Amino acid sequence: GQQLNQSPQSMFIQEGEDVSMNCTSSSIFNTWLWYKQDPGEGPVLLIALYKAGELTSNGRLTAQFGITRKDSFLNISASIPSDVGIYFCAGQRMDDYKLSFGAGTTVTVRA
Amino acid sequence: SQTIHQWPATLVQPVGSPLSLECTVEGTSNPNLYWYRQAAGRGLQLLFYSVGIGQISSEVPQNLSASRPQDRQFILSSKKLLLSDSGFYLCAWTDQLDEQFFGPGTRLTVL
Repeated sequence: GQQLNQSPQSMFIQEGEDVSMNCTSSSIFNTWLWYKQDPGEGPVLLIALYKAGELTSNGRLTAQFGITRKDSFLNISASIPSDVGIYFCAGQRMDDYKLSFGAGTTVTVRA
Repeated sequence: SQTIHQWPATLVQPVGSPLSLECTVEGTSNPNLYWYRQAAGRGLQLLFYSVGIGQISSEVPQNLSASRPQDRQFILSSKKLLLSDSGFYLCAWTDQLDEQFFGPGTRLTVL
């Protein structure tokens, strides 16, 4: 599928700080998904978004489906050491079986 | 609840040898199934997907093939491995909400 533009590529943050990352696309998506991948493991689904403007939380994570349907962001509040990992965004267009993925944001937390 | 299994977890194979990676899903029926490859520190590359038994769509022309002999079984194969086939192989399935869930992955090293 088409590659999404995900930024930043990496970030070093202090424990307790808030983190924000986003994905943009030239195409309209019907679904936005956010995943976290730990080293040597498969990505784990964090949040799924289905409607433009939708804001969804999962614990300290909050994600939004952009109103234009071409972007999404993920916020992590009060980061902790276990937030370390690679975060991927993914989007799906209507009637498409495939997901388009961002290249990932690598998060490293300084204790 | 649904679970997805992959085996083997790790594999070291010589160049020119055959390959067979297996993925099975439990707790659901007629899932869409996917094979991805992830190079070290890189994003996810879709290799194949299947919307039903015997139905395989190839995304990237290469040295690999896929088969779906049963509803919840997806197999990735090669007749002769290349060095460039090394990577982390991930199987995934989608539910009726088009949320995609990944397996634990297989780390393949071709020497």
